[in-house]
Amino acid sequence: EDKVVQSPLSLVVHEGDTVTLNCSYEVTNFRSLLWYKQEKKAPTFLFMLTSSGIEKKSGRLSSILDKKELFSILNITATQTGDSAIYLCAKNTGNQFYFGTGTSLTVIP
Amino acid sequence: DTGVSQDPRHKITKRGQNVTFRCDPISEHNRLYWYRQTLGQGPEFLTYFQNEAQLEKSRLLSDRFSAERPKGSFSTLEIQRTEQGDSAMYLCASSLRLGDYEQYFGPGTRLTVT
Repeated sequence: EDKVVQSPLSLVVHEGDTVTLNCSYEVTNFRSLLWYKQEKKAPTFLFMLTSSGIEKKSGRLSSILDKKELFSILNITATQTGDSAIYLCAKNTGNQFYFGTGTSLTVIP
Repeated sequence: DTGVSQDPRHKITKRGQNVTFRCDPISEHNRLYWYRQTLGQGPEFLTYFQNEAQLEKSRLLSDRFSAERPKGSFSTLEIQRTEQGDSAMYLCASSLRLGDYEQYFGPGTRLTVT
């Protein structure tokens, strides 16, 4: 089965803190790994990662993939209350996307 | 706005009734996916289409569920004889066919079966 495991399940931080979210996956039929942000609506796309060691960055968010150890991390620096959401990672096998259960991030003012 | 639209946004139905949801993908996207999401879980794959062809179905998709994409544009997902366990958010997503690609999600249809 194509498992995607995210940790921690939930996280509460104060504004300004830096957080690191983890995603591990099984190697079978791996094509790419994607990160999404989900507020009280459908997931919105953040990053797609295909190559190891190449950081993708968008503002205060960044992500990197390690294809040897089969994991990815999503970093958020200088967190803001608007970052409060569920962060999902998904493994793309070319035919399907397998999602983890998500990390629920709460940023307290 | 991602460009994927779904209708209706909410549906309340009684157990045993049939329901149908519609998804309109981003116009140039060949692939269309259906997912189900329950509270505290990530989206769970149900089925996907490449143009009008349904290429893969999850084994979670019982014979009460059927999906179509008749002309390779919009898609419908029908659930027959609904059960309370069908209550969930049904998400549609679309993507380009070629190369490495990301999915764009619609707003979802929230189904409540009473």
